[in-house]
Amino acid sequence: DVKVTQSSRYLVKRTGEKVFLECVQDMDHENMFWYRQDPGLGLRLIYFSYDVKMKEKGDIPEGYSVSREKKERFSLILESASTNQTSMYLCASSLLGLGGGRLLDEQYFGPGTRLTVT
Amino acid sequence: RKEVEQDPGPFNVPEGATVAFNCTYSNSASQSFFWYRQDCRKEPKLLMSVYSSGNEDGRFTAQLNRASQYISLLIRDSKLSDSATYLCVVNPPASGGSYIPTFGRGTSLIVHP
Repeated sequence: DVKVTQSSRYLVKRTGEKVFLECVQDMDHENMFWYRQDPGLGLRLIYFSYDVKMKEKGDIPEGYSVSREKKERFSLILESASTNQTSMYLCASSLLGLGGGRLLDEQYFGPGTRLTVT
Repeated sequence: RKEVEQDPGPFNVPEGATVAFNCTYSNSASQSFFWYRQDCRKEPKLLMSVYSSGNEDGRFTAQLNRASQYISLLIRDSKLSDSATYLCVVNPPASGGSYIPTFGRGTSLIVHP
């Protein structure tokens, strides 16, 4: 079974702190993703990565950065946490699709990190 | 207009009922369609991929209608355990030749005795 793990299930941070959310997958997947999920807004893509040291912005990258130094690990960084970043953060991974169009295979999600910024 | 739209519900149905959800998408060049299920306070998990020819898995049937740009999910003989939020995922093309997964906001299903 594919396993995607996230470093924390619950996290409480203060405004202005630098926050690191870690995600690790054990199935050698090329693609990794970071989403946030808020009531009424659904899942929104923050950043994704198709390869080591490669990153692309999703729909809401402002206030976030990412790092992918190893294939199995994808980190989300909040440089200076703000209260509007209080949310559920979900990491996902998937195999690279066939062809240059990079069609998406099914995604496997981690259990999520509920971040509260006070 | 949001790229992927779903009726949020909730759909409140009795056990044994048949229920159908639709999900519309705006970009006709979209590829790779999926339905995910998300239980309360859990992560989403793949329910079914959706193909043009339609696919069935037990009580669940998924269809893709490219002409009208929607995907559907049909659940027959609903069980209490089917209560969850159902998310559709569409992959419209983005710059650089990649496809970006876009989730609908989810449709809530409540199956009651």
